[in-house]
Amino acid sequence: ETGVTQTPRHLVMGMTNKKSLKCEQHLGHNAMYWYKQSAKKPLELMFVYSLEERVENNSVPSRFSPECPNSSHLFLHLHTLQPEDSALYLCASSQGPGATYEQYFGPGTRLTVT
Amino acid sequence: GNSVTQMEGPVTLSEEAFLTINCTYTATGYPSLFWYVQYPGEGLQLLLKATKADDKGSNKGFEATYRKETTSFHLEKGSVQVSDSAVYFCALTDTNFGNEKLTFGTGTRLTIIP
Repeated sequence: ETGVTQTPRHLVMGMTNKKSLKCEQHLGHNAMYWYKQSAKKPLELMFVYSLEERVENNSVPSRFSPECPNSSHLFLHLHTLQPEDSALYLCASSQGPGATYEQYFGPGTRLTVT
Repeated sequence: GNSVTQMEGPVTLSEEAFLTINCTYTATGYPSLFWYVQYPGEGLQLLLKATKADDKGSNKGFEATYRKETTSFHLEKGSVQVSDSAVYFCALTDTNFGNEKLTFGTGTRLTIIP
């Protein structure tokens, strides 16, 4: 148990659906991250939030929309996704932004776009 | 830009065998180097790290030495166990330019056979 939870653990959605991924951290951290993990590719950093403000957006398509209402919660809103968006989406948190602070990862949401 | 190259898996070993997973990197500054492990159904966990040349990181019987001359950070363990079966990710962060993002390799799946 790393103190970072993600729901749902598995999600299957059609290309016209709208869904949201949720992440919650119980560690008192100030920074939260979304990563995309695809088979045979390096982890891709998607978004970084520090004290609820977005500090990094790695040119992610607009069909992915993050929301950080407070330092404990992070959402990833999904709409009109493509099959190539199927992947494991990992949330992480750390005391501060950047890798000086150890990042603690959640178990991920396995997303399948049909 | 920064990049991490690690040996492609999968790697299959018998219990008590010696393990080496190769990792080399390219970085423009003075990176810190990390190994993360992902057990089945879980998120990534920091396994060990080294922050400067010739440092040795170690944890749970695993070791890796930061070799600046060969730009490498190979992961080793003298006697693997079935419980070591997981995916291992090499990563770096380059703090020289204030950019502390983690850059990951593609991961190496390790399976230990009893």
